[in-house]
Amino acid sequence: KAGVTQTPRYLIKTRGQQVTLSCSPISGHRSVSWYQQTPGQGLQFLFEYFSETQRNKGNFPGRFSGRQFSNSRSEMNVSTLELGDSALYLCASGLGTGGSTDTQYFGPGTRLTVL
Amino acid sequence: AQTVTQSQPEMSVQEAETVTLSCTYDTSENNYYLFWYKQPPSRQMILVIRQEAYKQQNATENRFSVNFQKAAKSFSLKISDSQLGDTAMYFCAFVTGGSYIPTFGRGTSLIVHP
Repeated sequence: KAGVTQTPRYLIKTRGQQVTLSCSPISGHRSVSWYQQTPGQGLQFLFEYFSETQRNKGNFPGRFSGRQFSNSRSEMNVSTLELGDSALYLCASGLGTGGSTDTQYFGPGTRLTVL
Repeated sequence: AQTVTQSQPEMSVQEAETVTLSCTYDTSENNYYLFWYKQPPSRQMILVIRQEAYKQQNATENRFSVNFQKAAKSFSLKISDSQLGDTAMYFCAFVTGGSYIPTFGRGTSLIVHP
């Protein structure tokens, strides 16, 4: 089976712009979670989607949003980018029954740089 | 608030030796899950080991094993017969069955020397 894929792998944006990141889970996986990884804050949970519904959400402002499609692919959007949004954004997929309590498989991440 | 503490920011070990990475957590929940993840340099994060809190038996995956001390809220990872490919950041994570929101430690950078 193909692993979790994320596109694009690298992205450079300027403050105030918006960005959309994409994640394709492992075939058969219905849960997709998103994480932000920065040197300062470490790894932080953004949200989890299951069957096109946001099931859990971390402590991030409303500028961070996401969605999941019927084929389980997921996108996350960040509006009005700030310098502090520069990070590695990781996506992880799982079978979905237990959300983040289940084994999750991570993608390679999207490196976002905000100038 | 739930917290995960990895007290060793960096560790090093000689190839073929054994190393133990420490992790402590704080929660008032009884239903939770603990994880160790490995993130090699410029490579994808992978799950090393998963432990369900209600299971007293320590989880083991090949050369990786944990010492789960529930009363002490400690979840250390032991890597036996260390290999160069074990060089990576190791993250301890904790998820309660109630919130399903994972909390990660700050990570331990492990370098295996030949």
